[in-house]
Amino acid sequence: DAGITQSPRHKVTETGTPVTLRCHQTENHRYMYWYRQDPGHGLRLIHYSYGVKDTDKGEVSDGYSVSRSKTEDFLLTLESATSSQTSVYFCAISELRETQYFGPGTRLLVL
Amino acid sequence: KQEVTQIPAALSVPEGENLVLNCSFTDSAIYNLQWFRQDPGKGLTSLLLIQSSQREQTSGRLNASLDKSSGRSTLYIAASQPGDSATYLCAVSGDNNDMRFGAGTRLTVKP
Repeated sequence: DAGITQSPRHKVTETGTPVTLRCHQTENHRYMYWYRQDPGHGLRLIHYSYGVKDTDKGEVSDGYSVSRSKTEDFLLTLESATSSQTSVYFCAISELRETQYFGPGTRLLVL
Repeated sequence: KQEVTQIPAALSVPEGENLVLNCSFTDSAIYNLQWFRQDPGKGLTSLLLIQSSQREQTSGRLNASLDKSSGRSTLYIAASQPGDSATYLCAVSGDNNDMRFGAGTRLTVKP
């Protein structure tokens, strides 16, 4: 398995609180991604990064921000969590137009 | 906007049967197509990646084909086993490595 870890793996939080999810890679891949997976919607891209400090929006970016200050770390922040952001969040890594490798996921419940 | 459809949504077969999973996409301007496997409660495992210039890829009992002009891909699984039971997802990459996923086919292989 590609060296990708996500933390935390599970989190329960309350509406209105900020939440930060971390993705860490040991593969030195240039591209990193955040997806969410929901029943009935499948996997959808939130944000991605194509280098340190280089990020762009995906299909469902509203309510989320990201940061990448080091090659190995990609942070996803929910500034003020809402119940609609309850989901399973996956991080992925790749080189340009090559295989994407996924992390184990983070289950987030917003009450 | 790229739309990815997978048919059937669910499939149940007896052990040993050969089977085909289908994936179609609406915009043929893709860079690659990737097939993944997802076990319940787990992350995604990459199975095969087909670049847009390729017609097929093989790995063990798996063979994936790509017809970019018609917007179709198939995943062929030979001699299915109970351990193949999982959800199979296809995804296509366009500009900026933006990957769009299908909803998946849930496969059950009965002993």
